[in-house]
Amino acid sequence: DQQVKQNSPSLSVQEGRISILNCDYTNSMFDYFLWYKKYPAEGPTFLISISSIKDKNEDGRFTVFLNKSAKHLSLHIVPSQPGDSAVYFCAASARGGSEKLVFGKGTKLTVNP
Amino acid sequence: DAGITQSPRHKVTETGTPVTLRCHQTENHRYMYWYRQDPGHGLRLIHYSYGVKDTDKGEVSDGYSVSRSKTEDFLLTLESATSSQTSVYFCAISVGSRGRETQYFGPGTRLLVL
Repeated sequence: DQQVKQNSPSLSVQEGRISILNCDYTNSMFDYFLWYKKYPAEGPTFLISISSIKDKNEDGRFTVFLNKSAKHLSLHIVPSQPGDSAVYFCAASARGGSEKLVFGKGTKLTVNP
Repeated sequence: DAGITQSPRHKVTETGTPVTLRCHQTENHRYMYWYRQDPGHGLRLIHYSYGVKDTDKGEVSDGYSVSRSKTEDFLLTLESATSSQTSVYFCAISVGSRGRETQYFGPGTRLLVL
């Protein structure tokens, strides 16, 4: 039973355009969400997070939006750059959840020059 | 850089042999984790530790054991490696308050079981 779902295995966008990566969750106890970026042959790196008390968090070109009623979050990258090409993982945790994160399966983003 | 190193970075072994992977951190973080990453499966938690000698199972713990005798080291052992354990293994540490933690990952160990 997948509690965190990234339904698009891959996404391709043109340089300079917006990239939108989506993530859905089923566990209503999740109240903290994170996005990680992973390049080949490297470990995942933390990108941005959002608490359930917010519906938006922004960090430079990266913005995460949270829709609690729909149990949906998205990561927007504007403008997209070729260096953004990577696999992006969505993760979630619940307060009191034994310090564990639940990860989605990832979306591979390709930004074409 | 969260001061996490993993060794070895690459390993080839044969089915049935024991394998131990090491994760080392330099910042005395309490929580440490072992994940495996496989195509189509994302990151799956194998075991984690919440202190010296305190460990618990994750979602894919069968065939793996762990030990933590010092705060800085978290060992993952495959008692008798199988081809299904061919994977990339990542260690992570956790920073932040309960339910608001951010995990930081090591560079990974690529394991091939022949």
